[in-house]
Amino acid sequence: AQKITQTQPGMFVQEKEAVTLDCTYDTSDPSYGLFWYKQPSSGEMIFLIYQGSYDQQNATEGRYSLNFQKARKSANLVISASQLGDSAMYFCAMRGTYFNKFYFGSGTKLNVKP
Amino acid sequence: DTAVSQTPKYLVTQMGNDKSIKCEQNLGHDTMYWYKQDSKKFLKIMFSYNNKELIINETVPNRFSPKSPDKAHLNLHINSLELGDSAVYFCASSQELVGSSYEQYFGPGTRLTVT
Repeated sequence: AQKITQTQPGMFVQEKEAVTLDCTYDTSDPSYGLFWYKQPSSGEMIFLIYQGSYDQQNATEGRYSLNFQKARKSANLVISASQLGDSAMYFCAMRGTYFNKFYFGSGTKLNVKP
Repeated sequence: DTAVSQTPKYLVTQMGNDKSIKCEQNLGHDTMYWYKQDSKKFLKIMFSYNNKELIINETVPNRFSPKSPDKAHLNLHINSLELGDSAVYFCASSQELVGSSYEQYFGPGTRLTVT
């Protein structure tokens, strides 16, 4: 069975500091994809970053990077130089090999303090 | 030039009514989805269509019926609405291309309130 776990329901970070949002996953699929989405208070779901299970390097997209540790089954999102606009819910998601179904974690609410 | 659009954005209705939510994507994707996000923000997939064919049908009451007239459109019809149906419903789309990242692009959501 596929499972995504986000253990931090809420986090605070000071503006301009870096923050790590944790995500662990469980799957027996030979290949899979890991995703992070941002949901601001306005409600839309915004795709941030993707990591394939066979990718050798950690994915980066601007201030977002994904710290992928395959042996530990973790896919943490690192946001560098936090901005006030980063305050939002962040969801980790996984897609397995055989089905196009996404499994989402329960989310982490990030608050960036000025 | 919205990529994934949904109508309506808000829907307030009474128990027992029947309502529909419409979704359209102009990304040329071949797969579309319906998700339900409950009050605790938990996102759960309901249905998925690939090229108009139903491929994911989660444990959802049969009061919910999806319909895909073509691969750019996916509608959700809900019969006999109940209080527990109150949630935000998201439509999403992706391209099932081998070797791609398969990321899903979401619509703005439809907030359904059943009174």
